[in-house]
Amino acid sequence: EAQVTQNPRYLITVTGKKLTVTCSQNMNHEYMSWYRQDPGLGLRQIYYSMNVEVTDKGDVPEGYKVSRKEKRNFPLILESPSPNQTSLYFCASSLGLGKNTGELFFGEGSRLTVL
Amino acid sequence: GEDVEQSLFLSVREGDSSVINCTYTDSSSTYLYWYKQEPGAGLQLLTYIFSNMDMKQDQRLTVLLNKKDKHLSLRIADTQTGDSAIYFCAESPGDAGNMLTFGGGTRLMVKP
Repeated sequence: EAQVTQNPRYLITVTGKKLTVTCSQNMNHEYMSWYRQDPGLGLRQIYYSMNVEVTDKGDVPEGYKVSRKEKRNFPLILESPSPNQTSLYFCASSLGLGKNTGELFFGEGSRLTVL
Repeated sequence: GEDVEQSLFLSVREGDSSVINCTYTDSSSTYLYWYKQEPGAGLQLLTYIFSNMDMKQDQRLTVLLNKKDKHLSLRIADTQTGDSAIYFCAESPGDAGNMLTFGGGTRLMVKP
């Protein structure tokens, strides 16, 4: 089954404790992206990747890192989480530049709480 | 930068039509989308429209695009309780990969 898988789905952590949210897709998609969803603000893009070893900042990259060593995986790293990073995070993937109509396939979300 | 605006909330009765509106600012938008988010789930693409189209119909869904006014709407005919969800409008310039800009989402509540 074609899917985008995120882990963990739920996480409560404390300020400053490094964490990684993993994202994996099995559709051989070139493009992957991370979003955060906050009430009243909709979806805001954190980072995206056009292909392996190619990553770029989205609208709200501060406090986050990403890597794209393999095509299928795109982990989101919070080196020193702070309470303002409490949010619902979505990973998404798509075929790639000029290859489709832009349909993004989303994971089920990871709800992160930073105390 | 690009901006996409939606109203926050819409309430309708079961069986009525729902119309969710969206405005955007990027005149170079090539594709415009409607995504649906059900409780506890990620977003799923409902439908999309190319910028050279005025209307697209898909079963109970009708998308209208007024490019001059940069206004997009989604009409759901015979709205059902299962249509209760958050609906996101999004736009893409098309030539910039899949860099979608999303609106804030409209929460549709369908009352029995």
